[in-house]
Amino acid sequence: EVNLAESGGGLVEPGGSLRLSCVASDFPFDTYVMSWVRLAPGKGLQWVAAISASGANTYYADSVKGRFTISRDNSRETVYLQMSGLRAEDTAIYYCAKNTAHEFWGPGTLVTVSS
Amino acid sequence: EIVMTQTPLSLSVTPGQPASISCKSSQSLLHSDGKTYLYWYVQRPGQSPHLLVYEASIRFSGAPDRFSGSGSGTDFTLRISRVEAEDVGIYYCMQGMSLFTFGPGTTVEVK
Repeated sequence: EVNLAESGGGLVEPGGSLRLSCVASDFPFDTYVMSWVRLAPGKGLQWVAAISASGANTYYADSVKGRFTISRDNSRETVYLQMSGLRAEDTAIYYCAKNTAHEFWGPGTLVTVSS
Repeated sequence: EIVMTQTPLSLSVTPGQPASISCKSSQSLLHSDGKTYLYWYVQRPGQSPHLLVYEASIRFSGAPDRFSGSGSGTDFTLRISRVEAEDVGIYYCMQGMSLFTFGPGTTVEVK
């Protein structure tokens, strides 16, 4: 069964940085697009970023463009989200999801941006 | 950017009764490859989101058969034929035609 496990969340001050990781298992990781999606308190799901199977192409929501970077290491079956210039409105649970259909999701990791 | 809207934003349903949620997109989700890039998810309390329907009407593996999706172009519907207690949660549509955009979500309460 597909398994996705996020890590790296925590408390960070505004303007700070954080790197999230998502380790995948039990599917051919290097053949699938991977995404990050977030759920902020009191709000709905928001797609954040996606990366092609090879890692050659990346895509971002306007709200994070220039601040967040998605990358992947297919040898480690891991996708990353490097977040910098964090703002209070980036506070959310961050999920990684498999494929363009977002057919499987991890349990999420909580990022809190606060002084 | 494609904007997604959902109605209603909340729904209270008696167990055993049907329910439906509407989703509209600001642009057609019909791709030149013939597929319609509209998805439905549910996020139950304390859980991660789960895919229910993809390409507007194809039920995902493991999704109960009481869930069905329909629609085309810009207008879509998720139907629950007979609501069960476990169907409580927030239901989202998402477009995958141009990057990805979720609708605002519909909170379903089971009476």
